[in-house]
This record gives sequence, structure tokens and C-alpha cells, in this order.
Amino acid sequence: AQSVTQLDSHVSVSEGTPVLLRCNYSSSYSPSLFWYVQHPNKGLQLLLKYTSAATLVKGINGFEAEFKKSETSFHLTKPSAHMSDAAEYFCVVRGGSYIPTFGRGTSLIVHP
Amino acid sequence: SQTIHQWPATLVQPVGSPLSLECTVEGTSNPNLYWYRQAAGRGLQLLFYSVGIGQISSEVPQNLSASRPQDRQFILSSKKLLLSDSGFYLCAFDRPVITDTQYFGPGTRLTVL
Repeated sequence: AQSVTQLDSHVSVSEGTPVLLRCNYSSSYSPSLFWYVQHPNKGLQLLLKYTSAATLVKGINGFEAEFKKSETSFHLTKPSAHMSDAAEYFCVVRGGSYIPTFGRGTSLIVHP
Repeated sequence: SQTIHQWPATLVQPVGSPLSLECTVEGTSNPNLYWYRQAAGRGLQLLFYSVGIGQISSEVPQNLSASRPQDRQFILSSKKLLLSDSGFYLCAFDRPVITDTQYFGPGTRLTVL
């Protein structure tokens, strides 16, 4: 079995300040973990993926995520938010189950 | 390189009318294919997935159906649309054994009036 919880439905930050989007997961297997971004009326774009090679994963657009097995977390961070980062973000877990499980999404709002 | 296409991009249909949405993948063979729906302000709901031609698994009961007539073509259909079918429909694929990463199409915005 597997599940994923995105702890915040909305996160609001000012441009130039750090971003933290939180994700906790559970899996009966050693899972792959993903973060996707979705801009309005667009498809999902892969930001980054964890596959046990390294606990700190760097993605596109300056985002990174750290896998913490003891905390079953995979939080997404960015040092400095940009207006173009405003979007919906999805955390995804895929373990022994054939089908990936998506979180409900976190809406990132960036204020000028 | 691999690409995934969906059409149409937007669609406005009356209640009770039929539906056909198409998804095609290029640059790979034997993909797994998926249909998802996003209702307004909500997350992704898996509707159907397929591991091969003619093999369709349904995740939720509904008045939608899916077909896979060719290896890289996935079609979502309905005989009679309901208001509740409105939403953003996303097609995705991954490549079994090679990678567990899903790649998504640009989506179709369906409005049922």
C-alpha cells in the first residue's frame, strides 16, 4: 500500500523569499518519489524525481527536494521565489504498486 | 524524443451529447497509458489505464469508457455526457521496465452545458 499527504493546500510567499512545500508519504516498498508542477490549463511537468541515488535531489527551475526516510518526508524547496513559480504542485509516490499515487496538490501563490 | 499529444485542447458540449477525446504518443513503443480527470480546484483522479492494445482497466465507475485501438493511441469516450463530466482531462504515459516516470499531455478542457 502507498499514500501521500501534501500538508498544505495553499502556500503564500513574497517574491524573493524561500519556498517550502511539504509532502509526507508511506509505502510498503522503497518508493520512487516525484514532484510535478502544473500551471493553469496546462499539463503536469516533472520537476524532479528521487530514486535512492542521493537524498538531495535537484530539479529544474532552481527547485530541490530532500528525501528523509526517518521522517517519511520529501519536501520541496526553492531559495528564492519568482512570480513565474505560481502554480499547483503535486507530490507523487510510486512503490510496489503499479499505479502512482498523487497528493491533492499545493497551490503556490507568489506576491510581488 | 518522446512526445504526447491530446486533442482537442478545449471542448464545449451539451448534456447528453457524445464525447471522444484522443491521446497519442510518439517516440516510444509499448507505453502504459493513463487517463486522469481534474475537477475544478481538485486533484487528479485516475479514470483508466492500459498496459497494451485492447487492455483497459477502469478505476472508477462512471459513464465514460476508454479504448486503445493502437499501441500509441488512447481514446476516452462517452455516449451521453453529464454535467458532472466537466473538467480538465489529462493523458499520461510511462515506459514499463525502462522508467516509472509518467509524462503528461497538455490536457483537454471539457465544459458540459
